[in-house]
Amino acid sequence: SQQGEEDPQALSIQEGENATMNCSYKTSINNLQWYRQNSGRGLVHLILIRSNEREKHSGRLRVTLDTSKKSSSLLITASRAADTASYFCATGIIEETSGSRLTFGEGTQLTVNP
Amino acid sequence: EAGVAQSPRYKIIEKRQSVAFWCNPISGHATLYWYQQILGQGPKLLIQFQNNGVVDDSQLPKDRFSAERLKGVDSTLKIQPAKLEDSAVYLCASSLAGGTGELFFGEGSRLTVL
Repeated sequence: SQQGEEDPQALSIQEGENATMNCSYKTSINNLQWYRQNSGRGLVHLILIRSNEREKHSGRLRVTLDTSKKSSSLLITASRAADTASYFCATGIIEETSGSRLTFGEGTQLTVNP
Repeated sequence: EAGVAQSPRYKIIEKRQSVAFWCNPISGHATLYWYQQILGQGPKLLIQFQNNGVVDDSQLPKDRFSAERLKGVDSTLKIQPAKLEDSAVYLCASSLAGGTGELFFGEGSRLTVL
């Protein structure tokens, strides 16, 4: 099963509003990453937060990580129509036997209406 | 700096036919990944190479899928024979050193099996 699960599956907001997406995971992680995917395109890396960090900012993006609850959230402030895309969380795990891997969730489809 | 290159962008075949996808990673990136993304889902790792060696192919359906990275640079993913459920986007990604770092994705190859 997927390590990360995003919530909600779909989100529709008006331009200028904030968008919040959540990601929950099951096992201990090394880091958690967020990616964006425009329709018909590849994924683009947005931000990485390490397991010993609690919050990180990049432009209009704010990511939080709560390792005790095994959850993360991505906040996009002052959204724009161009933010319309699918957003995926990916958990980075290092295992003694199988090495390191990055596992993606199912994604949140964000629609920003002009 | 050139990104990850993939070809073809689109391919339509009939079931039981074969298909091959090509990927050229970012120059200097040691680690190369092939992901399968079914419509509406997150990417699922098929195989991970470190230089020209396989690091993880635990989720590769080896009875029909094969992949190689002969000179530690570009890679080919082959499906033979294709099934209807192989219809998906095949994403290639690369990273500088592997582990759980940032991935750089290509635009993907969309496969439709009729």
